[in-house]
Amino acid sequence: DTEVTQTPKHLVMGMTNKKSLKCEQHMGHRAMYWYKQKAKKPPELMFVYSYEKLSINESVPSRFSPECPNSSLLNLHLHALQPEDSALYLCASSRLQTGGTNEKLFFGSGTQLSVL
Amino acid sequence: ILNVEQSPQSLHVQEGDSTNFTCSFPSSNFYALHWYRWETAKSPEALFVMTLNGDEKKKGRISATLNTKEGYSYLYIKGSQPEDSATYLCALTKGSGNTGKLIFGQGTTLQVKP
Repeated sequence: DTEVTQTPKHLVMGMTNKKSLKCEQHMGHRAMYWYKQKAKKPPELMFVYSYEKLSINESVPSRFSPECPNSSLLNLHLHALQPEDSALYLCASSRLQTGGTNEKLFFGSGTQLSVL
Repeated sequence: ILNVEQSPQSLHVQEGDSTNFTCSFPSSNFYALHWYRWETAKSPEALFVMTLNGDEKKKGRISATLNTKEGYSYLYIKGSQPEDSATYLCALTKGSGNTGKLIFGQGTTLQVKP
């Protein structure tokens, strides 16, 4: 199984809502990532988890809260988002954390988020 | 700020044409260069990861080269097919101080007409 599964595929939420994005992999990968992509822009790194511990937070606003409950699951909790947070949110995993290695990333197909 | 530049932004070719596009990056503290293919409504898929200056990798009709001294990588597609239509992203990891950060370029969108 070389899949990274993201749910939901589409999400529309209001600025006062609380929602969560979910990501799952069963490849035994110990690094998991959240990326954000706005239209016509490159994917931007948000968070990296390595061995279930937060390794990198790219100064992401606190209205985005990541969680890694176990080595197969990665969540992104959303609260009080702004319309400018509307984007495609991509989850990825790799055997080990990239940087200092040549590990490739395995991506999910993303959650398209719209904040009204 | 680490800039990864890709050109051209988009490309339209006829089936059977060969094509290539470029990824440029700062050459200092280089560690690895990745290429990903992203078809519409699918997940980005890794094509190559290259680490050494002069590296050449091949996967079917697609190949890539790497020049870390001058800071560029080329991706070549020989005899393009409609199924090659996708956005091709390159991404860079640097050495110490940036562990875990894979920085992406904006991508080159390829459209192959039958």
